[in-house]
Amino acid sequence: NAGVMQNPRHLVRRRGQEARLRCSPMKGHSHVYWYRQLPEEGLKFMVYLQKENIIDESGMPKERFSAEFPKEGPSILRIQQVVRGDSAAYFCASSLNRGPGTEAFFGQGTRLTVV
Amino acid sequence: DQQVKQNSPSLSVQEGRISILNCDYTNSMFDYFLWYKKYPAEGPTFLISISSIKDKNEDGRFTVFLNKSAKHLSLHIVPSQPGDSAVYFCAASTGNPGGKLIFGQGTELSVKP
Repeated sequence: NAGVMQNPRHLVRRRGQEARLRCSPMKGHSHVYWYRQLPEEGLKFMVYLQKENIIDESGMPKERFSAEFPKEGPSILRIQQVVRGDSAAYFCASSLNRGPGTEAFFGQGTRLTVV
Repeated sequence: DQQVKQNSPSLSVQEGRISILNCDYTNSMFDYFLWYKKYPAEGPTFLISISSIKDKNEDGRFTVFLNKSAKHLSLHIVPSQPGDSAVYFCAASTGNPGGKLIFGQGTELSVKP
C-alpha cells in the first residue's frame, strides 16, 4: 500500500512564475491537508480538502495560493507569481477519517526554491 | 499566536538513557495530541498520540504524558537509541473540523553512542 506521494520532490521557479505541487493521498483516504514549513520553523497548516470540497482554508495566504482536490486525480497546490518568501518545504498529508483521533500520514514533501 | 510551543530547540542524550521532550499548549479546546518524528528531507512520521481524556499512553519505548491542568505534555523515550536522533514535533487538534494539526516548532534530539 503506497504512502502519500508528492511530486516533484524539488522544484525551482523564478520569481513571477507559477508553481504546481501534486499530492496523491494514501489509497482509500479522502481527506487531504497541505502544510508549509519555512526554514527553522514548524509545520504550518494551510488547507484541508475532501474530494471536490475545501473544508478549511484558514491557513492559506489570501492571494496567489489555491488548492483543489478533484474527483479524479491528485490534489494540487498552486502558487501563482511566486516570490522568494514562498521558498519552503510543502508537505501533504492524508487521513482516512476526520475528527478526534484522526491520524494523518505525510508525504516526503516538495521543496520549492524561488530564485 | 503560537498555540503549541516546544521551548527546547535541541536536546542531547546518551544512548541508553531517557529522552524527555516537552510541549506546552494554550488552547483548552485541543482534545487530541500527537508526536511526529522527522528526518531531514523526509516527511513527518507518526509516533504516538493521546486523547485529552487520558493522562498517559505507552507504545514500546515511547510514552506520552498529558497534564491538562498545566496544558503540558511530554514524550519519554526509554532507552534512547542513536536511531532516535531526529526532529520531534508535538501537534494538537480539536474535534471540529478534525484532522487539522497545529504543530510546535520542533525539538532536535541527538542520541550519542
